[in-house]
Amino acid sequence: AQSVTQLGSHVSVSEGALVLLRCNYSSSVPPYLFWYVQYPNQGLQLLLKYTSAATLVKGINGFEAEFKKSETSFHLTKPSAHMSDAAEYFCAVPRVTGNQFYFGTGTSLTVIP
Amino acid sequence: DTGVSQDPRHKITKRGQNVTFRCDPISEHNRLYWYRQTLGQGPEFLTYFQNEAQLEKSRLLSDRFSAERPKGSFSTLEIQRTEQGDSAMYLCASSPAGGFSYEQYFGPGTRLTVT
Repeated sequence: AQSVTQLGSHVSVSEGALVLLRCNYSSSVPPYLFWYVQYPNQGLQLLLKYTSAATLVKGINGFEAEFKKSETSFHLTKPSAHMSDAAEYFCAVPRVTGNQFYFGTGTSLTVIP
Repeated sequence: DTGVSQDPRHKITKRGQNVTFRCDPISEHNRLYWYRQTLGQGPEFLTYFQNEAQLEKSRLLSDRFSAERPKGSFSTLEIQRTEQGDSAMYLCASSPAGGFSYEQYFGPGTRLTVT
């Protein structure tokens, strides 16, 4: 079955520092992977998605992620953290039929001024 | 395109009461999904509609839960005889027909607190 695992439930970075949020997927997953962001008391907003095209995917707000099949990873990065990046981040994979997503447990990002 | 909307945003109810939530998807999106998110967890799938047909239900959707999507537009999720374990954020999402249907657009959620 498809699944994703997010390593680190809480990540703290200083403003201006590199953001790295980790996501690993199961080997049986189809080649679609997503990152969503959730701000406090809000729904999920799509950051970026991998759809078997370029392995380096650029998303909104300066985020990007690289699909690495050899490492079964899809880590999310941003070169320079901003205070507004503080939120919960979820990695997700759709089921083969596409009728639902399997979400990771999330990583809470804190940005320290 | 005004996005997916959900109503109410917050609901506090006493154990044993019935509650109903509403979701209005993005217009012309024929697919609609309900998820439940508990504190510190990612969203978990509850059910899926294509137009007015409920095509899939998770085992999380006990007999106390029922969802409808009359006329294939808005959807309602009802919980009967609420329990404290039902306290969660209930998220609705929609996606368009055809194309890359994996991409789902989420609403702001309804936070339910059962006291």
